[in-house]
Amino acid sequence: AQSVAQPEDQVNVAEGNPLTVKCTYSVSGNPYLFWYVQYPNRGLQFLLKYITGDNLVKGSYGFEAEFNKSQTSFHLKKPSALVSDSALYFCAVRDRISGGYNKLIFGAGTRLAVHP
Amino acid sequence: DGGITQSPKYLFRKEGQNVTLSCEQNLNHDAMYWYRQDPGQGLRLIYYSQIVNDFQKGDIAEGYSVSREKKESFPLTVTSAQKNPTAFYLCASSPGQGIGYEQYFGPGTRLTVT
Repeated sequence: AQSVAQPEDQVNVAEGNPLTVKCTYSVSGNPYLFWYVQYPNRGLQFLLKYITGDNLVKGSYGFEAEFNKSQTSFHLKKPSALVSDSALYFCAVRDRISGGYNKLIFGAGTRLAVHP
Repeated sequence: DGGITQSPKYLFRKEGQNVTLSCEQNLNHDAMYWYRQDPGQGLRLIYYSQIVNDFQKGDIAEGYSVSREKKESFPLTVTSAQKNPTAFYLCASSPGQGIGYEQYFGPGTRLTVT
C-alpha cells in the first residue's frame, strides 16, 4: 500500500533562514506526490506536485520541493522563511483504488513555526 | 478555498442526532471527496464520488452517508451510528480522476457533538 511519512511533528526556524519540511514515501510504481498547507481553521491549499520530469518542483509562495528517488523523499523547501509561513503542512501521495478511482493518502502533518 | 463552499463553519449537536454537512462547488469538477481531520492524524477519506448518482466508501465510511444528486453538491450526513463524530470535516473536488490532478479543498466544518 502507498504511504507517506512526515517524521517531524514540528519544525522551528528563524525568519529569513531556509526551511525544510521532510516527507518520505513508500509506493509501488511511480510516485505522484503533493504538498498542501493549512492555516488555522481553514481548508488545505495546494502548494505543488511532482508527477514526472524535473526533480526540483517549484510551487506557490516561493516554495519548492526536491524529489529524490533513491532516498524516497520529497522534502519541501524555501530559501528564506517568513513569519506568515507558519502553518500546518501536509505531504500526500496518490493511490490507485478499484474501478479506476484514485485518492490521496496524507501524512500526519508537520507544524512549521517561523519566529521573528 | 475558492470555488468550494462548506456550511456551516461551526456545528454543534447532541449525541444521537443525525447532522448533514453541506458542500457545494462551482468549479465544474467531476470528482468530490469528504475527509475527516483529527489532531495528529492527518486527513482520512470518508466517501468519494466521480459522477452524479455514484459514490464509493473511503477508509472510514462507517457511520456516514452521502448523496450526489447534482454535480455541484455532495452533502455528508453524520449519523448517530458514528461513534466519535467530533472532528473537522473537509470537502474537496478535482477535475477528474486523472493521476495528476490535485484536489481543491473547502474551508471546512468543525462539528462538535456533546
